[in-house]
Amino acid sequence: EPEVTQTPSHQVTQMGQEVILRCVPISNHLYFYWYRQILGQKVEFLVSFYNNEISEKSEIFDDQFSVERPDGSNFTLKIRSTKLEDSAMYFCASTLSSYEQYFGPGTRLTVT
Amino acid sequence: DAKTTQPTSMDCAEGRAANLPCNHSTISGNEYVYWYRQIHSQGPQYIIHGLKNNETNEMASLIITEDRKSSTLILPHATLRDTAVYYCIVRVANRDDKIIFGKGTRLHILP
Repeated sequence: EPEVTQTPSHQVTQMGQEVILRCVPISNHLYFYWYRQILGQKVEFLVSFYNNEISEKSEIFDDQFSVERPDGSNFTLKIRSTKLEDSAMYFCASTLSSYEQYFGPGTRLTVT
Repeated sequence: DAKTTQPTSMDCAEGRAANLPCNHSTISGNEYVYWYRQIHSQGPQYIIHGLKNNETNEMASLIITEDRKSSTLILPHATLRDTAVYYCIVRVANRDDKIIFGKGTRLHILP
């Protein structure tokens, strides 16, 4: 069964550094998402992406964040200058239909 | 912003049916009821969705009341692997519509 994959599984970075989180969505999917989950808290929407542009973004998704689909298979989330409060699990999701979003296993980002 | 109300936690004995309730009294006519679950440290997993009719798939059954103000997710024969947080979500089925997760119900399956 096809699945969403994410790399790395765990990323440790120092405050102020740039990080890129990578996702490979399911191959025929057209809609892509990033969510995050701070430890012990709810899963929060960050951004949705369709047809090579952002469809919607939350107030969390400020100028420090960007997304890209550079080669038709990968979908990346970049954080330009990480802050301690960016420490969280980051989940990528994709969908073809309007019903199910398929989530990846997540990347645990630890900012020190 | 959550449009649903769920119990914080529930227990269920292994092998029994787990019945997870959800209230969504302000649901609109074009909104579906979705259920996702999140096993510890994993990404959320879609379970089932419905508009007004009861639905069943290989994972679960969804019972929606006639007035659509509440629903119940049924896991017919719960196993230890069903221990997870279960999220009841109300949303319009647009392709690029985000999912807004609440706190969900933490379901413990007891051996």
